[in-house]
Amino acid sequence: AQKVTQAQTEISVVEKEDVTLDCVYETRDTTYYLFWYKQPPSGELVFLIRRNSFDEQNEISGRYSWNFQKSTSSFNFTITASQVVDSAVYFCALSPNAGGTSYGKLTFGQGTILTVHP
Amino acid sequence: NAGVTQTPKFRVLKTGQSMTLLCAQDMNHEYMYWYRQDPGMGLRLIHYSVGEGTTAKGEVPDGYNVSRLKKQNFLLGLESAAPSQTSVYFCASSYMVLGSYNEQFFGPGTRLTVL
Repeated sequence: AQKVTQAQTEISVVEKEDVTLDCVYETRDTTYYLFWYKQPPSGELVFLIRRNSFDEQNEISGRYSWNFQKSTSSFNFTITASQVVDSAVYFCALSPNAGGTSYGKLTFGQGTILTVHP
Repeated sequence: NAGVTQTPKFRVLKTGQSMTLLCAQDMNHEYMYWYRQDPGMGLRLIHYSVGEGTTAKGEVPDGYNVSRLKKQNFLLGLESAAPSQTSVYFCASSYMVLGSYNEQFFGPGTRLTVL
């Protein structure tokens, strides 16, 4: 069975601070995908990134960066110079067995509520 | 493209009533999913479909039924609503490329309250 844990329930920062959201996962599959989704106050789910378990390179997209460490089963998300618009709930998710009979099903973490104060 | 749409956006039911939530996607995606979101629990998979005419159970299927008569539509039914089914329901769709599943595209959600 898969499991995703986001230990930080809520994080509060002041604008321009850097913030890291932690994600730890458990799976017995040798191939899998990891995801981050953002849920702003409006409620929709916005896709941020998908990472293949074969690819441990860190990724940067603007102020966002992701650190994937297979050795510790972690896929952490850092926002640099946070802004008020970053306030949202962030979900980490796992899809096992990148192809095959997983059918792309996602196991989500509990979510981290990020509040960025001006 | 409208992407993934859900109807209705809000609904209040009394215990024991039935209803159907409609999900539609215009991206020709093969795979569709229903999740529920509850505080502190993230999203949990209720049912999913790997193609027209197919459905399968997810993590929390009890009390729900689904149907996928057309590729673009995925219906979620509650036959006898219970207060424990008060939640926000999300529909999603996805596709496969070169043997790998891609990200899921989510609808805007339906907020359901069962009194």
